[in-house]
Amino acid sequence: QIQLVQSGPELKKPGESVKISCKASGYTFTDYAMHWVKQAPGKGLKWMGWINTYTGKAAYADDFKGRFVFSLEASASTANLQISNLKNEDTATYFCARGPYFDYWGQGVLVTVSS
Amino acid sequence: DIVLTQTPPTLSATIGQSVSISCRSSQSLLDSDGDTYLNWLLQRPGQSPQLLIYSVSNLESGVPNRFSGSGSETDFTLKISGVEAEDLGLYYCMQTTHAPLTFGGGTKLELK
Repeated sequence: QIQLVQSGPELKKPGESVKISCKASGYTFTDYAMHWVKQAPGKGLKWMGWINTYTGKAAYADDFKGRFVFSLEASASTANLQISNLKNEDTATYFCARGPYFDYWGQGVLVTVSS
Repeated sequence: DIVLTQTPPTLSATIGQSVSISCRSSQSLLDSDGDTYLNWLLQRPGQSPQLLIYSVSNLESGVPNRFSGSGSETDFTLKISGVEAEDLGLYYCMQTTHAPLTFGGGTKLELK
């Protein structure tokens, strides 16, 4: 069965970096794009951008340009999200979701940024 | 950016009641390929979002047929014909026609 399994929760200090993984199984990884979605505590969903899992090319929403990087380990059917220079407002749950229809989602990774 | 406005923000229903959620877009979601990329998602408490409906009216595999979607261009509706307890949670519309992709603000379905 198709699954997206994400890495575990993270507790970080402001200024640190974090890398979140999303491992896909049950389908051909390079046939579908991977999207990233942010959900701040008690808030709605916000699209961060996506990565073409075949070419590795990424596109970012305006609010996620600069400190956010999407990458792949295609041989491991894994997509990664790295956030550098963490800020308090980065505290959120981060989801990966399979494109183009968002038909499968990871379980989410809670990243907490606190001094 | 496309703004999706969902109404109502909160919906109280009894089991078996039929309810509708509206999603209004600031621009037409009709793509140049002729399709309209408006999806509906349900996020149950503590869970990841789940796709219910894609491209306005297509029921995702495994989703009960009490869920239905309709609409065109800028006005869309999700209908639940006979709410069940497992339907409670937050409903989101989302559009993937225009970048950046955007979500509605959500509608919370709760028991009356």
